[in-house]
Amino acid sequence: DAGVTQSPTHLIKTRGQQVTLRCSPKSGHDTVSWYQQALGQGPQFIFQYYEEEERQRGNFPDRFSGHQFPNYSSELNVNALLLGDSALYLCASSPPGGAGNTIYFGEGSWLTVV
Amino acid sequence: QKEVEQDPGPLSVPEGAIVSLNCTYSNSAFQYFMWYRQYSRKGPELLMYTYSSGNKEDGRFTAQVDKSSKYISLFIRDSQPSDSATYLCAMSGPGSARQLTFGSGTQLTVLP
Repeated sequence: DAGVTQSPTHLIKTRGQQVTLRCSPKSGHDTVSWYQQALGQGPQFIFQYYEEEERQRGNFPDRFSGHQFPNYSSELNVNALLLGDSALYLCASSPPGGAGNTIYFGEGSWLTVV
Repeated sequence: QKEVEQDPGPLSVPEGAIVSLNCTYSNSAFQYFMWYRQYSRKGPELLMYTYSSGNKEDGRFTAQVDKSSKYISLFIRDSQPSDSATYLCAMSGPGSARQLTFGSGTQLTVLP
């Protein structure tokens, strides 16, 4: 049983460009959340998708957007990249009605903005 | 002020030592408390999960939650070099059980 898978693993973008990160949740999970983890910091909640809709959102600008597909996979899009967007982007999934002990994280996508 | 405060360390201990990691928080609505372990350049891995106040033990790990003091702890007994990692506390409240608020993480090194 594959866990949460994310792609790409690493990528480098230029300031002002746009990036798309992808996530496939663990089998049986229907809720996907995205987090940003800057170097030396804890992950920060970006948003959460359930039933193809954004259900909750953290304190991130509209440059950050997402999508969830019918197969529960998800994308995170970041427009007009800033140097400060350089971070590890983590995807987490959880099952229907799952509590905190059922949240699984992927290995993350390392984004470097130059 | 951050909602969750965690001493960033770094913390270095000899093998076999008892390690104490702590977090304080300000949001009294938090009800679910978790500890994650994160190895370098990897995703967080859930270690311990506690609902409300109390203690929970799992092998060498013990999690404690004191909601009256808004203070949570993770104890690691007989620490091993393989325990060297960053430890993140995380918590969430009712109605948002799957939206986690993390501490900044404590970097732990266990020396052989």
